Amino acid sequence: ESVLTQSPGTLSLSPGEGATLSCRASQSVRSTYISWYQQKPGQAPRLLIYYTSTRAAGIPDRFSGSGSGTDFTLTISRLEPEDFAVYYCQHYDTSSRTFGQGTKVEI
Amino acid sequence: EERLVESGGGLVKPGGSLRVFCEGSGFTFSSYSINWVRQAPGKGLEWVACVSSGSRDIDYADSVKGRFTIARDNANYSLSLQMNSLRVEDTAVYYCARGELNMDVWGKGTTVTVSS
Repeated sequence: ESVLTQSPGTLSLSPGEGATLSCRASQSVRSTYISWYQQKPGQAPRLLIYYTSTRAAGIPDRFSGSGSGTDFTLTISRLEPEDFAVYYCQHYDTSSRTFGQGTKVEI
Repeated sequence: EERLVESGGGLVKPGGSLRVFCEGSGFTFSSYSINWVRQAPGKGLEWVACVSSGSRDIDYADSVKGRFTIARDNANYSLSLQMNSLRVEDTAVYYCARGELNMDVWGKGTTVTVSS
């Protein structure tokens, strides 16, 4: 079972700036098995990116995903006020699923 | 609209049991794997269990294996999570979420509190 480590824990930025969030797996994983989610306070998570780099329906193109092997990245090109939230990466394995501990993007 | 709605949460004493439910609508429920994911207060997401579309494959996190049982009733578009031998550390919001490799539809969650 691969352990996912996200960094940094907290990212303090301003609207209009770019954000780069990292997700590192403890062992090499298939790119099709990495997803990213956004969660705002009091809300359920929302799928942003799947298969490492495919945006989910309705997700704006300022969100992009990349990576391979053990290192994966979520990039937000220009932060909008509604993007300040917690972001989680997730890995699928044949008998388990794993979430990273999350990165909080705050103003 | 594709929806999942959880219910059945509540307060239970340590060592007790509780069953929570998830009802789907707006999509062909029987075509999708469904997961339970929980979130303890102030903490991150923890995957709990998954059942495949036809119930052939069922997986559990180590933290709940042997205590929790996931089951689905495709005819009624519903899913349940039977939780036995509950511990204080099982206190969380429990979400059901659709999908195998990723989770694209989530419910709003139901709160389970384990406390004496």
